[in-house]
Amino acid sequence: DSGVTQTPKHLITATGQRVTLRCSPRSGDLSVYWYQQSLDQGLQFLIQYYNGEERAKGNILERFSAQQFPDLHSELNLSSLELGDSALYFCASSVGHRGLETQYFGPGTRLLVL
Amino acid sequence: GQSLEQPSEVTAVEGAIVQINCTYQTSGFYGLSWYQQHDGGAPTFLSYNALDGLEETGRFSSFLSRSDSYGYLLLQELQMKDSASYFCAVRDTAGANNLFFGTGTRLTVIP
Repeated sequence: DSGVTQTPKHLITATGQRVTLRCSPRSGDLSVYWYQQSLDQGLQFLIQYYNGEERAKGNILERFSAQQFPDLHSELNLSSLELGDSALYFCASSVGHRGLETQYFGPGTRLLVL
Repeated sequence: GQSLEQPSEVTAVEGAIVQINCTYQTSGFYGLSWYQQHDGGAPTFLSYNALDGLEETGRFSSFLSRSDSYGYLLLQELQMKDSASYFCAVRDTAGANNLFFGTGTRLTVIP
């Protein structure tokens, strides 16, 4: 158990809909990262927040947005969903902001868009 | 641009040693990380190299050569449970400060 929690574990929705994925980092970790992993693909970095502020932005679509709240939990909002958005979405956390030292990954949210 | 290259698949025998290579190209460079991911699981951190040389953690070692933009993960005394995907990762410190993961190397350990 990494100490990072993600909810929900599974999500099935229809095209055009909007969903929110939630992540709680490990206690004491200030950075939260979001990744997308499609079937048999590598990890695509989406976005990083550090202590409530956006730190880095990767290949995140304009239909997607995220935020980190004062209690450091984070939410990833996916809107106008398309079939191609079906993937495993991971959240990770770390103490610092560099992101190359240890990142602790949550169990992921498996999203299926029908 | 940024890129990381890893072999897509490696097969090795239980008890043997295997090396997984990673070459990278970034505008800026903090260091190289390695992660393990079992099927259906989350990635778990293995090692991080910021400076040239070898870092050893139990059966796993990681090497970095910044002048060659190259690193590798060395797994010794392979066990069946080491069958997994292994990803290298870098951070591009120039520009958007993005994190990049390689496409992963699927290691299969056979008896």
